[in-house]
Amino acid sequence: AQSVTQLGSHVSVSEGALVLLRCNYSSSVPPYLFWYVQYPNQGLQLLLKYTSAATLVKGINGFEAEFKKSETSFHLTKPSAHMSDAAEYFCAVSESNQGGKLIFGQGTELSVKP
Amino acid sequence: DAEITQSPRHKITETGRQVTLACHQTWNHNNMFWYRQDLGHGLRLIHYSYGVQDTNKGEVSDGYSVSRSNTEDLPLTLESAASSQTSVYFCASSQGQATNEKLFFGSGTQLSVL
Repeated sequence: AQSVTQLGSHVSVSEGALVLLRCNYSSSVPPYLFWYVQYPNQGLQLLLKYTSAATLVKGINGFEAEFKKSETSFHLTKPSAHMSDAAEYFCAVSESNQGGKLIFGQGTELSVKP
Repeated sequence: DAEITQSPRHKITETGRQVTLACHQTWNHNNMFWYRQDLGHGLRLIHYSYGVQDTNKGEVSDGYSVSRSNTEDLPLTLESAASSQTSVYFCASSQGQATNEKLFFGSGTQLSVL
């Protein structure tokens, strides 16, 4: 069965600092991986997705993630945090051959300090 | 603009009552999903539908039901509400069956069962 683990339920960074949110997955087949962001009182929005075309995936708002098969990881990074990045971030994996069915991690809340 | 709307935004009910949460999308998407969001669990799939008259159980379907009579709507019914069903509920939709399909989320319904 596929699963996703996000390391750290809360991450706090200073404005301008590197953002690193960790995600490890378990899958018996080549995975399709996603990062979603949830701003307060809103639904989730897609940040980026990995679909095997390239291991380094660029998303919206300056975020990117690198797929590392050897480490079963798909960590999310942003070189310089902005106050508007404060939100909850979810890593997710798509169940094989099940379009749109996602298994989500527990979520990581990102705080950005001025 | 196409969108996905959920109603009500907030609902308080009593244990044992039947409750229905509405989800309406104007994307003309075939696929619709209901997730619940709980602290420490991320989002978990309740039910999903790949088209009219099609419904399927997700990971946490006990105590919930859905019906799909048209493309636009997938109402979620709690047959006899329990305190364990206090949660934030998200509806989502997607177009195709590809494993890397992007989900579009509604803004959520906060349900409290007292």
